[in-house]
Amino acid sequence: GAGVSQSPSNKVTEKGKDVELRCDPISGHTALYWYRQRLGQGLEFLIYFQGNSAPDKSGLPSDRFSAERTGESVSTLTIQRTQQEDSAVYLCASSLVGPRASSYNEQFFGPGTRLTVL
Amino acid sequence: QQQVKQSPQSLIVQKGGISIINCAYENTAFDYFPWYQQFPGKGPALLIAIRPDVSEKKEGRFTISFNKSAKQFSLHIMDSQPGDSATYFCAASGTGNDMRFGAGTRLTVKP
Repeated sequence: GAGVSQSPSNKVTEKGKDVELRCDPISGHTALYWYRQRLGQGLEFLIYFQGNSAPDKSGLPSDRFSAERTGESVSTLTIQRTQQEDSAVYLCASSLVGPRASSYNEQFFGPGTRLTVL
Repeated sequence: QQQVKQSPQSLIVQKGGISIINCAYENTAFDYFPWYQQFPGKGPALLIAIRPDVSEKKEGRFTISFNKSAKQFSLHIMDSQPGDSATYFCAASGTGNDMRFGAGTRLTVKP
């Protein structure tokens, strides 16, 4: 597949448990983004990776959220001690270059992971 | 953190009508303004984008109008079709600035 893939597609967890969400970007894309989309709402920026530079974590809502990216490949978003308000669709996107290089970069989105915290 | 304001939240249009969605931005460093289209259960996908050196860009039935002085831009969908029913997001970015998205507009085109 040439697109961005995410796994799992759905995740149901109990309050207080930790979850890991995975994103496989398009090969060759140097920039990777995570967004949160609550039901019926817009895209909330969480974190952005650009190559080997320090990630922009300015959108992470709390220290329960963290993300890693290995080089220019897979990224994992981890939510510790999940709360009910964490229930949302988590979208990953990648782009050929990131905003530090150019603003004209189309982001390609994955289908998202729907997280439900009971 | 809302740097891009989008309206309306929802829009219902009859088939063949014109759908208009508006966005306003704050950061004058933004210089790229894309619109994304999202169908249920899918991630957003780029629909059309504009740079501020032009006031209008048209691709098929979709047109972006851009007003730099007012810091506003809008999406016009001509001859709206039921297949256009989706959520539309405006966005803005600038070199060194991460892309910021509007809150989205849920468009329903009635047959």
